[in-house]
Amino acid sequence: SAVISQKPSRDICQRGTSLTIQCQVDSQVTMMFWYRQQPGQSLTLIATANQGSEATYESGFVIDKFPISRPNLTFSTLTVSNMSPEDSSIYLCSVEITDYEQYFGPGTRLTVT
Amino acid sequence: AQKVTQAQTEISVVEKEDVTLDCVYETRDTTYYLFWYKQPPSGELVFLIRRNSFDEQNEISGRYSWNFQKSTSSFNFTITASQVVDSAVYFCALSDEMNSGYSTLTFGKGTMLLVSP
Repeated sequence: SAVISQKPSRDICQRGTSLTIQCQVDSQVTMMFWYRQQPGQSLTLIATANQGSEATYESGFVIDKFPISRPNLTFSTLTVSNMSPEDSSIYLCSVEITDYEQYFGPGTRLTVT
Repeated sequence: AQKVTQAQTEISVVEKEDVTLDCVYETRDTTYYLFWYKQPPSGELVFLIRRNSFDEQNEISGRYSWNFQKSTSSFNFTITASQVVDSAVYFCALSDEMNSGYSTLTFGKGTMLLVSP
């Protein structure tokens, strides 16, 4: 497995502002993933981040709203831009340690007022 | 398109009861993996098991057991002698065939398990 940390663990933000979430893993990994979990809902993949290339976004998610950086093999950031109350969710990063096996970070609980 | 169905939204049991969480999936891939994750109230997602599409052997790990039946596209999860600490949301997930060089997960809606003393 892997030790994955996320910062911040939770935040309350004002509408219209942006928040950057950090994800750090204790080993080098090729792929990192960002998910959103809206209240009481399942997980939805936002994008996949490969080091050294642009992130690949899933349908319904765009780079302007959720820019992602992946500067090295152990770190990634997700920014939630121009936030609205509908962005209130848990945001989770995950890494693929072995083929087909993803481990998740503890999540960032975001509340937008 | 891939799909995972967890028909049970919420299950309530009393401690020491056995409980089975159902998972039915749809995929056109011949190679795929199935997963179960546990999400306690703290919010983190805990990996429980991975099963590939070619291995239909049932698996047991302590009080947990999994029944994979390809014929019915089901991957059910049983907790024996449930405990209060088992209270959580449980997600079943399906990976695709890594056509893009990596796998992506499709999650079911989750089943909330409440175990009361």
